[in-house]
Amino acid sequence: GESVGLHLPTLSVQEGDNSIINCAYSNSASDYFIWYKQESGKGPQFIIDIRSNMDKRQGQRVTVLLNKTVKHLSLQIAATQPGDSAVYFCAENQAGTALIFGKGTTLSVSS
Amino acid sequence: DVKVTQSSRYLVKRTGEKVFLECVQDMDHENMFWYRQDPGLGLRLIYFSYDVKMKEKGDIPEGYSVSREKKERFSLILESASTSQTSMYLCATKGGAGNTIYFGEGSWLTVV
Repeated sequence: GESVGLHLPTLSVQEGDNSIINCAYSNSASDYFIWYKQESGKGPQFIIDIRSNMDKRQGQRVTVLLNKTVKHLSLQIAATQPGDSAVYFCAENQAGTALIFGKGTTLSVSS
Repeated sequence: DVKVTQSSRYLVKRTGEKVFLECVQDMDHENMFWYRQDPGLGLRLIYFSYDVKMKEKGDIPEGYSVSREKKERFSLILESASTSQTSMYLCATKGGAGNTIYFGEGSWLTVV
């Protein structure tokens, strides 16, 4: 079946580095993609989203890139901070359906 | 601010008990969802609802049912809890201009 997956289950970076978290999706009909951050013991928190008619979207310290040709999504975090340590999920959505989630990447930021 | 409230954060129930997990949203969203989250398996969709009194099965509905009597409230019911249902349960709603999905803080259920 179709699914959303992340390339790496864990990512360790130093404080101040830029982080890149990757995600591959297989359903070309998906038209909306979201990145979530989940801290320990909490529910997923919306970070940033992007629609399929866009290639790039920027937020505060975060950028999402969408490459529809290779069905690839990435989340870039600039100047990573210890507070960014969490599990990051990508999710895809087709109109009229529920989100499909990837398994998550655990980001660890060391000082 | 978006608010999705799961009233029970931590529950311990015995095998065979009936369990209710409640979720309330204050955003007037029509779509509501229940997921469970387990290590190594990610988030899996149990049930969702597009409107009051409407429900659709997700990927893993077995052993669960739901109730949507009012727009703001979506309940997950475990008719006879089993140890395999020990998990974290997440409620979510979908709506707004961007059709974004928002999650509650989660309910940790342990069945002994």
